[in-house]
Parts: sequence; structure tokens; C-alpha cells
Amino acid sequence: QSALTQPASVSGSPGQSITISCTGTSSDVGRYNLVSWYQQHPGKAPRLIIYEDNKRPSGISDRFSGSKSGNTASLTISGLQAEDEADYSCCSYAGPTPWVFGGGTKVTVL
Amino acid sequence: QVQLQESGPRLVKPSQTLSLTCTVSGGSISSGTYLWSWIRQPAGKGLEWIGRVYNSGFTNYNPSLKSRVTISLDTSKNQFSLKLNSLIAADTAVYYCAREDPVASYFDFWGQGTLVTVSS
Repeated sequence: QSALTQPASVSGSPGQSITISCTGTSSDVGRYNLVSWYQQHPGKAPRLIIYEDNKRPSGISDRFSGSKSGNTASLTISGLQAEDEADYSCCSYAGPTPWVFGGGTKVTVL
Repeated sequence: QVQLQESGPRLVKPSQTLSLTCTVSGGSISSGTYLWSWIRQPAGKGLEWIGRVYNSGFTNYNPSLKSRVTISLDTSKNQFSLKLNSLIAADTAVYYCAREDPVASYFDFWGQGTLVTVSS
């Protein structure tokens, strides 16, 4: 069982918006503004798409956005495209551990 | 552009020790303040952070694996390594090495990953 809880799968049609939740606790997600999100295509290494809850690295589309409320962080993909079909994982700083990940969410573009 | 590449055995027997190496190119492993981590992913499951090494050689480990893990640095070869002992089937996973930016707190460069199977 992963430390952070994500839905196993989320789907949407091209052009739609989808949101993936990532629920932790007051010791990780809720305590630090250090949630990051990674996109992973099959057989490929994870790629950073959001860091520090809501910041995008250079080169990442503004269709990806992050937010947080309490112990739950969220990743929203707007204007869904076929190339967005991938696995998405959240990660949070957790003090002593210090990094915990979610179980991953498979995004399907219908 | 920094690149990381894992190397090591693909099949290891239960109770034995796994040894993996991550070779870093495009930058010195001993310069700057970057941290160097190992992360694994069992098939169909989430990522799990194993541990990291600072360029000073200082290490942090996941408490759930701490008793079985050693991570070390070889600056002369621009590599860092993972040793995981007393292997069990549940250690079967894709193992990634990654660079951690301690200021922005994220993993910005990853290796392609190597699948390690624990089986007799």
C-alpha cells in the first residue's frame, strides 16, 4: 500500500479536463508545500511536470496545473490530448522518510 | 544535459545481495548541492523511494528498508551505487536512479530503469 492515495484510473475525451487527486496526511501533503507530479509513459522513466504543489518546470505545457487543499493535492490536465495518456504519480516530502509517492493513476484518453 | 544509466544483474536469487550502479554523464556527481537517489517500482504498483546519497557521502534511507540498504558514491567514476541485501520476491521491481534538486525539492533527471527479478 502506497503512502499517498490516488485513484487507479481516470479517463476523459480529447479536449476535456480531468483531475487526479492525491491524498496524504497532515505529516506530508498537508504539512509541506512540496508536492510534485510525474508523468510516465509505458517503459519510460518518470518526467517531472509539477513541483512545489503548483509550479511547472520549463518546457511543460500550461495544460498541466497543480493545486492543494488540506491533505489533498490535485493535478488537472486541461484540453486533454492523446499524448497525455500515461501514468501519473504524486510525490510529497514527508520529513523523516523523506519522500513518499502515490500508487499512480492511469489516464486514458477515450 | 545530465543523463543517468543504471547497470547491474537482472536476476538475483532470494537471500542474496543486489548490487546496482548508476553512471552519471553530462555533469559531475560531486559538484553542486544535488542529491542522488534510488527509487523502485514493483510491477503494477507505485514508486517507492529507497534512499539517497549527498555529494559528501552522507546518506538517508527509507525507514522500511534501512536495515537492508547501503548507498554509496564513487566520485572518481562519477557513479553511485545501491546494495540491497537479504532479497525476497517482493524486492522484484524496476529500479531507477535519479537526481534530486534539494532547493526545489524534486527529481529532475532519471535513469531509464532496470528490471530486477528476485527468483531462484
